[in-house]
Amino acid sequence: EVELVESGGGLVQPGGSLRLSCAGSGFTFRNFSLTWVRQAPGKGLEWLAYISRDSNTIYYADSVKGRFTISRDNGKNSLYLQMNSLTAADTAVFYCARALYSDYVYFDSWGQGTLVSVSS
Amino acid sequence: EIVLTQSPGTLSLSPGERATLSCRASQSVIRYYLVWYQQKPGQAPRLLIYGASTRATGIPDRFSGSGSGTDFTLTISRLEPEDSAVYYCQHSWTFGQGTKVEIK
Repeated sequence: EVELVESGGGLVQPGGSLRLSCAGSGFTFRNFSLTWVRQAPGKGLEWLAYISRDSNTIYYADSVKGRFTISRDNGKNSLYLQMNSLTAADTAVFYCARALYSDYVYFDSWGQGTLVSVSS
Repeated sequence: EIVLTQSPGTLSLSPGERATLSCRASQSVIRYYLVWYQQKPGQAPRLLIYGASTRATGIPDRFSGSGSGTDFTLTISRLEPEDSAVYYCQHSWTFGQGTKVEIK
């Protein structure tokens, strides 16, 4: 069974940094592209970042470009999101998901999410 | 950038009724780019439909997707109590704002 488990969320002060992790199991991790999506409290889904199987292709949403960095370690079956210069607007549940991407994209398996709260 | 507008915002129906959810794109899109997800309270989203009309693994056949151009529809033919959720459409890296389906 495909499983994705996020960790690393928590309370951080405005201007601070946080690194999220996502551990994959139940599938051949290195064969799949991955993505991060967030959901602010009571709001909809917002795509954040995408990374290809070999890390050679990376995309970011404009809202996080220059502040967030997506990376992966296929040897550890892990995906990461380094988040810097955080503001209250970044408060959300962050999901990692497996991305099926050719000329179109969809996310076929999701983690349960990790909550990031940015507050002083 | 394509904007997806979902309607209605909330749909309140009884079990056994048919639900029709709309997703309208701000410009014509390639049909098979359109994706639908279901998100129940406190849970992660779940893939329902990809390629506009292909059901994901394990999705009951009461869920169907259709449409082309700018107008796409998710239909739930016979509502079950467990279908109470928010439904999101997606095109490329953009999500619609969601439609909440309530079961009376």
